[in-house]
Amino acid sequence: DSGVTQTPKHLITATGQRVTLRCSPRSGDLSVYWYQQSLDQGLQFLIQYYNGEERAKGNILERFSAQQFPDLHSELNLSSLELGDSALYFCASSVVAGGSHSGANVLTFGAGSRLTVL
Amino acid sequence: GQNIDQPTEMTATEGAIVQINCTYQTSGFNGLFWYQQHAGEAPTFLSYNVLDGLEEKGRFSSFLSRSKGYSYLLLKELQMKDSASYLCAVVPYGQNFVFGPGTRLSVLP
Repeated sequence: DSGVTQTPKHLITATGQRVTLRCSPRSGDLSVYWYQQSLDQGLQFLIQYYNGEERAKGNILERFSAQQFPDLHSELNLSSLELGDSALYFCASSVVAGGSHSGANVLTFGAGSRLTVL
Repeated sequence: GQNIDQPTEMTATEGAIVQINCTYQTSGFNGLFWYQQHAGEAPTFLSYNVLDGLEEKGRFSSFLSRSKGYSYLLLKELQMKDSASYLCAVVPYGQNFVFGPGTRLSVLP
């Protein structure tokens, strides 16, 4: 158990629907990251939050949105789902905001949420 | 942007040593990381280099040469459970992790 909790573990839905993925970071970590990993693809950075504020954006579609709440848990909302959105969605957390010159950058990943869009 | 290259696949024999290379292009960074990812599971942290040289952690070692934009992960005394993908990642100044495509390692008996 990495300490990063993601729910649900599996989700099957239809095209056009909307889903919400939830992540609780490791205790003491202020930064939350969302990554998408499609079949046999690399990890694609979507978005990062630090202590409730959006910190960085990657290749996140306009149909996707996220937020981090005062208790530091985060939610990733995926709407108007398409077949191509089927993927593993990972949440990761770290102590610092990133960009620091130390091992505190280390990302700890959750087990992921596997989304299947039919 | 940053380009990170790794071999797509490698095969090695149980008990052997394997070296997984990673080359990158970035003007400066806050560190180079290696992660292990078993199929369908979360990536797990293996090692971190910020200065040139070798970092050893048990059966795993990681090397970095910043001037050459090159790193490798060395796995000794390979075990079947080491069959996984190995991801190289850099953290450019002021930016977030950039992950390479990963190297899928198969360990054969």
